[in-house]
Amino acid sequence: EADIYQTPRYLVIGTGKKITLECSQTMGHDKMYWYQQDPGMELHLIHYSYGVNSTEKGDLSSESTVSRIRTEHFPLTLESARPSHTSQYLCASSEGRNGLAFFGQGTRLTVV
Amino acid sequence: GDSVTQMEGPVTLSEEAFLTINCTYTATGYPSLFWYVQYPGEGLQLLLKATKADDKGSNKGFEATYRKETTSFHLEKGSVQVSDSAVYFCALRYNFNKFYFGSGTKLNVKP
Repeated sequence: EADIYQTPRYLVIGTGKKITLECSQTMGHDKMYWYQQDPGMELHLIHYSYGVNSTEKGDLSSESTVSRIRTEHFPLTLESARPSHTSQYLCASSEGRNGLAFFGQGTRLTVV
Repeated sequence: GDSVTQMEGPVTLSEEAFLTINCTYTATGYPSLFWYVQYPGEGLQLLLKATKADDKGSNKGFEATYRKETTSFHLEKGSVQVSDSAVYFCALRYNFNKFYFGSGTKLNVKP
């Protein structure tokens, strides 16, 4: 069973607020990812990290930012939430070159 | 670039029917291929994988064979259950462990 956790599971927040979505894994994985899942179900990679102090933008442009100060922690921040940020955000991690990707349960964000 | 195309849903079947969800890929080199499943309100869970041509991944009655000649990795199950209702994602791994996911296929199984 995968040990990767996301909080909160659900969040409803007003426009203009700053929010941070938390993602933690206890598996010691070096790689971590954030995916945005739209209502049509497609997953889009928005950020990834190969290790501590390494972060890269993904294939889909996002106004969010990430940090990787500790191996186990990969938070995603939106400085000023907008209704267009309403989506499901999925965090994942994997190990090494050939490791499997394990996913958290997701955070469903609604910006009103 | 590398990509995955899977059949559009939703797919609606009666219990005990045979399931096929098509997936084809485009890749340089020899990617590893995966099927993930997402139950309502949950994240993705790995269902099965194959790392080289002709490998067959299997789990919980689901199977998929890595076909290099047709660049396909179709998901099959001989007899679906209501509990199999979920969204299924085909995926490939590229570029040092980045994953590309297909658009997902929703499966509805009716009693």
